[in-house]
Amino acid sequence: DVKVTQSSRYLVKRTGEKVFLECVQDMDHENMFWYRQDPGLGLRLIYFSYDVKMKEKGDIPEGYSVSREKKERFSLILESASTNQTSMYLCASTTTGNTIYFGEGSWLTVV
Amino acid sequence: AQSVTQLDSQVPVFEEAPVELRCNYSSSVSVYLFWYVQYPNQGLQLLLKYLSGSTLVESINGFEAEFNKSQTSFHLRKPSVHISDTAEYFCAVSDHGTGFQKLVFGTGTRLLVSP
Repeated sequence: DVKVTQSSRYLVKRTGEKVFLECVQDMDHENMFWYRQDPGLGLRLIYFSYDVKMKEKGDIPEGYSVSREKKERFSLILESASTNQTSMYLCASTTTGNTIYFGEGSWLTVV
Repeated sequence: AQSVTQLDSQVPVFEEAPVELRCNYSSSVSVYLFWYVQYPNQGLQLLLKYLSGSTLVESINGFEAEFNKSQTSFHLRKPSVHISDTAEYFCAVSDHGTGFQKLVFGTGTRLLVSP
């Protein structure tokens, strides 16, 4: 089975802190994604990556950055967390032309 | 640009009753269509997908969806629901240009099955 692992399931951070959300996939997928999920808004794409060190902005990249130094790992970075970034964050991966697989999500609360 | 509309934010239904979750999409090009399911405190799992060919697609747990190009719809149906079907369901679309790589999601429909 494909495994997409988000190591932090629940986090509480203070406003202004730098936050790292880590995602690892074990299927050698080229493509990885970070989505944000909010009630009534569905899933919105923050950033995605087609290859190591490659990244592209999604629909809502403001306030976020990403890092992909290794193929299996895709990190989402909140440079200075704000309360409006309280949300559930979902990582996903796929190989070209195939189904997208999701991790179990990271619940982030910014206080 | 594509968009997906799920008009029903919540659908309550009794166990063993039929259910339909509605999904309409907007796109100027040919599309691939997906339904994902999210159980409480979990990520999204692919339920079924339409890529080409037969417009009626089925999942292993009794759900089916029909692609209707003229009505730009991809409604999800099940003839008899179980308590365990309680979850949030997301419809998603990607165009043939990007393949399966960039999905646009609807806002989700919460299916609540009661005894």
